[in-house]
Amino acid sequence: EIVLTQSPATLSSSPGERATLSCRASQSIDISLGWYQQKPGQAPRLLIYDAFKRATGIPARFSGSGSGTDFTLTIGSLEPEDFAVYYCQQRSSWPLTFGGGTKVEIK
Amino acid sequence: EVQLVESGGGLVQPGGSLRLSCAASGFTFSSSAMGWVRQAPGKGLEWVSVISGSGDKIHSADSAKGRLTISRDNSKNTLYLQMNNMKADDTAMYYCAKDLTNGWSNWFDPWGQGTLVTVSS
Repeated sequence: EIVLTQSPATLSSSPGERATLSCRASQSIDISLGWYQQKPGQAPRLLIYDAFKRATGIPARFSGSGSGTDFTLTIGSLEPEDFAVYYCQQRSSWPLTFGGGTKVEIK
Repeated sequence: EVQLVESGGGLVQPGGSLRLSCAASGFTFSSSAMGWVRQAPGKGLEWVSVISGSGDKIHSADSAKGRLTISRDNSKNTLYLQMNNMKADDTAMYYCAKDLTNGWSNWFDPWGQGTLVTVSS
């Protein structure tokens, strides 16, 4: 099973700041990584798939990068609605797995 | 617009059974793989199972094998999760999700609003 480790667990930032979230895979997964956003009381929403492709309707301030074992989700300038929990997911091999999440909170 | 509406959650005793449903609309249901993902209270996301558009291929997490069975009825545009011999660890919000593509990519988008399952005596 591929283990995804997200860091930091919590990121305290202010609106307008740049946020950088990390996801590390226990073995190489090429670019088979996605990112989801989940706000309190809501279902997750796909932001990024195949490491860097933005899903439909996702603002350009969200960008993904990386390949192999190290991946990054960058939020260029935090908007108030971006404070949420972010999960990475791999589809390289079964079972599909998610990371433990990074909570982006308002400083 | 794609809509996914889960139902069937509730309180069940350990060892009991429950069947979750997910009614889908707004897309060609039989073309798209579908999946179930769960989230225990205050915890992260856990993939449960995924089924192909035709229903002939299934993959499931080890935690689901033998007890949680995914299925679909393409004539009713409905996805199911049959849950048997339930345990306290099955307590979670259960989300159904559509494959991102009109095929099978293992990216999930969109998701339903979830149905809460509580296993307790």
